[in-house]
Amino acid sequence: GQQVMQIPQYQHVQEGEDFTTYCNSSTTLSNIQWYKQRPGGHPVFLIQLVKSGEVKKQKRLTFQFGEAKKNSSLHITATQTTDVGTYFCAGPSDGNKLVFGAGTILRVKS
Amino acid sequence: ETGVTQTPRHLVMGMTNKKSLKCEQHLGHNAMYWYKQSAKKPLELMFVYSLEERVENNSVPSRFSPECPNSSHLFLHLHTLQPEDSALYLCASSQDGHLSTQYFGPGTRLTVL
Repeated sequence: GQQVMQIPQYQHVQEGEDFTTYCNSSTTLSNIQWYKQRPGGHPVFLIQLVKSGEVKKQKRLTFQFGEAKKNSSLHITATQTTDVGTYFCAGPSDGNKLVFGAGTILRVKS
Repeated sequence: ETGVTQTPRHLVMGMTNKKSLKCEQHLGHNAMYWYKQSAKKPLELMFVYSLEERVENNSVPSRFSPECPNSSHLFLHLHTLQPEDSALYLCASSQDGHLSTQYFGPGTRLTVL
């Protein structure tokens, strides 16, 4: 079945450093969604990308959707301790349901 | 973020107990979901209800039994669970079907002894 893979699984950065997580799908996606889950919390929707090559920004977060619509990335500039958590991507599967990646855990050292 | 509420927030139960998880959404959405989140595993979709009808059951064991009495409420009835069922159970809702943005509740942390 369709898979959504995320790398890295885990990243530990110094506060102020940049961070990037990558999401790859085995099939072309009609759209991709990103979620953030704080430690002890629940996933919260961040953004949805729909168009090939689309780039969207939310303050220090930059989201990209690949030209082939099979991959996506989330880049955080100058990380802060409030950025800690797990970042998930999710895309529609062949069976017309949302499939989540395993997530990238971000830890920030202050 | 009180659009989707879940009770209880924590639950400890023995393998012979029967308990129920409750979810309520105040967003006027038409679809509701149960997910299981275990350590080091991706979110696992368990059940999907759209307009109160079950449209997806991802081969979940029968010891988990969902109920959706109306579009705002969703239950997960639990009986004779196993220790490996210990996990965070998340409820979510969306405006339409599977592909819409998911709004998650805070989850129920379940421990099966």
